Amino acid sequence: SQKIEQNSEALNIQEGKTATLTCNYTNYSPAYLQWYRQDPGRGPVFLLLIRENEKEKRKERLKVTFDTTLKQSLFHITASQPADSATYLCALDSRGFQKLVFGTGTRLLVSP
Amino acid sequence: EPEVTQTPSHQVTQMGQEVILRCVPISNHLYFYWYRQILGQKVEFLVSFYNNEISEKSEIFDDQFSVERPDGSNFTLKIRSTKLEDSAMYFCASSEGREETQYFGPGTRLLVL
Repeated sequence: SQKIEQNSEALNIQEGKTATLTCNYTNYSPAYLQWYRQDPGRGPVFLLLIRENEKEKRKERLKVTFDTTLKQSLFHITASQPADSATYLCALDSRGFQKLVFGTGTRLLVSP
Repeated sequence: EPEVTQTPSHQVTQMGQEVILRCVPISNHLYFYWYRQILGQKVEFLVSFYNNEISEKSEIFDDQFSVERPDGSNFTLKIRSTKLEDSAMYFCASSEGREETQYFGPGTRLLVL
């Protein structure tokens, strides 16, 4: 069956370090993958979209990689700040359909 | 920067009552969506809407649910007879194209008593 896995345990890092979050999927062939940030009680905020023919995408301190062979995406935040503390969601398109399928999210805590 | 807006932010209702959740998608977007998130769980797809008709719906989106674009700006989700298990955050989203970024609204927190 189709599965998207994100580390359910919170990731604790020190300010200034690089945070790396993982999204693994099975039995999907997504045309693209998106990363969102979600704060408690708020809606998902779009961060980056990466397509199947792209290996890497960057935006300011954010970097996403997409390995369709490993069926994995990595999301990096460099020079992390306490304001980066949030839950980060991975979402895949369901090829041929218009819906996004979300992972459970990984909570990131950046301490000063 | 354009954004998706939703009203109300919170709604409390009695079981069996009808609720209408409202959304104003980003103005040049053509595809509209509803998702929900039960507390502590994943964001789940409910329905997508394009060209004034439903293009896809999930198993959750049963006969109790309906969507409508009553005018050029609003997009609504109606739950006809609410159940306790409908309590969740409901998010509206919109995208410019079929395989483009979906932008989400802030959500409506629905509590069914």
